Amino acid sequence: AQSVTQLDSHVSVSEGTPVLLRCNYSSSYSPSLFWYVQHPNKGLQLLLKYTSAATLVKGINGFEAEFKKSETSFHLTKPSAHMSDAAEYFCVVSGYNNNDMRFGAGTRLTVKP
Amino acid sequence: EPEVTQTPSHQVTQMGQEVILRCVPISNHLYFYWYRQILGQKVEFLVSFYNNEISEKSEIFDDQFSVERPDGSNFTLKIRSTKLEDSAMYFCASSEARGLGNTIYFGEGSWLTVV
Repeated sequence: AQSVTQLDSHVSVSEGTPVLLRCNYSSSYSPSLFWYVQHPNKGLQLLLKYTSAATLVKGINGFEAEFKKSETSFHLTKPSAHMSDAAEYFCVVSGYNNNDMRFGAGTRLTVKP
Repeated sequence: EPEVTQTPSHQVTQMGQEVILRCVPISNHLYFYWYRQILGQKVEFLVSFYNNEISEKSEIFDDQFSVERPDGSNFTLKIRSTKLEDSAMYFCASSEARGLGNTIYFGEGSWLTVV
């Protein structure tokens, strides 16, 4: 069985400051890990994914995430927040079968001017 | 960029009525999915579809639900005799293949409100 835990339901940062959204996973085998973003009234957009290649994964809009097996973590970071980053972010773990995609509860990112 | 499209974006229906949610997956994708998100809860897998048949379904996907690919482009989710607890955002998704590392692309969702 696999699961993800997003450690913060809500993160608030000021524009121009770093963003850290935390995700821990549990999986009985080597997982694939994803971050999706959902802007208000929009669908789920893929930010980045990890599939057992480089442990530091770069995504769109300046986001990146680092896979740390020893810590079972896949935290999402961005050096400098932009107002347009305000959205809901979902960490997702997937196994061999895409049906096994398990979503975290989501983290709402607020960016203050 | 190709995208999954869903209609309607929002539907209000009376309890007991039937609802059909429509989706157009990305054209070269072979695997199709429905997920749902009840307000305040996690996104949950409902069903996957491949080669004109259901390949897997969750315990949520009971006899009240059905899926169909009526033509070469649409993929529908039918909910018979809707209940209040069916109120949720329903996401359609598609992928080129299955397996480790394959990316599932989601639509913008159809928000269903049952009153």
